[in-house]
Amino acid sequence: QVQLVQSGAEVKKPGASVWVSCKASGYSFTGYTIQWVRQAPGQRLEWMGWISVGSGVTQYSQGFQGRVTITRDTSASTAFMYLSSLTSEDTAVYYCVRETLMGAFFDYWGQGTLVTVSS
Amino acid sequence: DIQMTQSPSTLSASVGDRVTITCRASQSISSWLAWYQQKPGKAPKLLIYKASTLESGVPPRFSGSGSGTEFTLTISNLQPDDFATYYCQHYDSYPLTFGGGTNVEIK
Repeated sequence: QVQLVQSGAEVKKPGASVWVSCKASGYSFTGYTIQWVRQAPGQRLEWMGWISVGSGVTQYSQGFQGRVTITRDTSASTAFMYLSSLTSEDTAVYYCVRETLMGAFFDYWGQGTLVTVSS
Repeated sequence: DIQMTQSPSTLSASVGDRVTITCRASQSISSWLAWYQQKPGKAPKLLIYKASTLESGVPPRFSGSGSGTEFTLTISNLQPDDFATYYCQHYDSYPLTFGGGTNVEIK
């Protein structure tokens, strides 16, 4: 069965950076696009960016002002999200999601990774 | 950016009720709309895509309608498992955006 398993919770200080990983299984990793979405406490879901796993092409939300990078390791069936220059406003649950083949909506979600930014 | 506005933000209902949630887009998105259900501490779950197509495995008491800028999610015969928060998401263009959510709570 399709699974996306993310790395564990992180606590970071303001100004630091964080990596979150997302290991995929149960399907052809290179045949799909992986996207990243976050949810701050009590807030709506926010789109961050995507990577076409097969080609490595990426697109990011301008709202992150160049602070986000998404990469992948096809040999490990794992995608990564890197977020730099963290502030308290980046405290959120970060989800990796699989984009369907029918459009940019999401049929499988990782379990989420809580990133807490606090001094 | 396309703004997605959901209403109401909270909805109180009883088991067996029929409930309707509205999602409005700030510009036409044709039928490029998905609905998700989220329970506390869990990831969202896809319910409906292309405004009205039910995802495999989702009970038929869930239905979606609409096109252009106005969309609805209807849950008929509300079940205990349906008390959750529901989000709409457009996928007409980038950036993708989500509605603010509707919390369906027990009356």
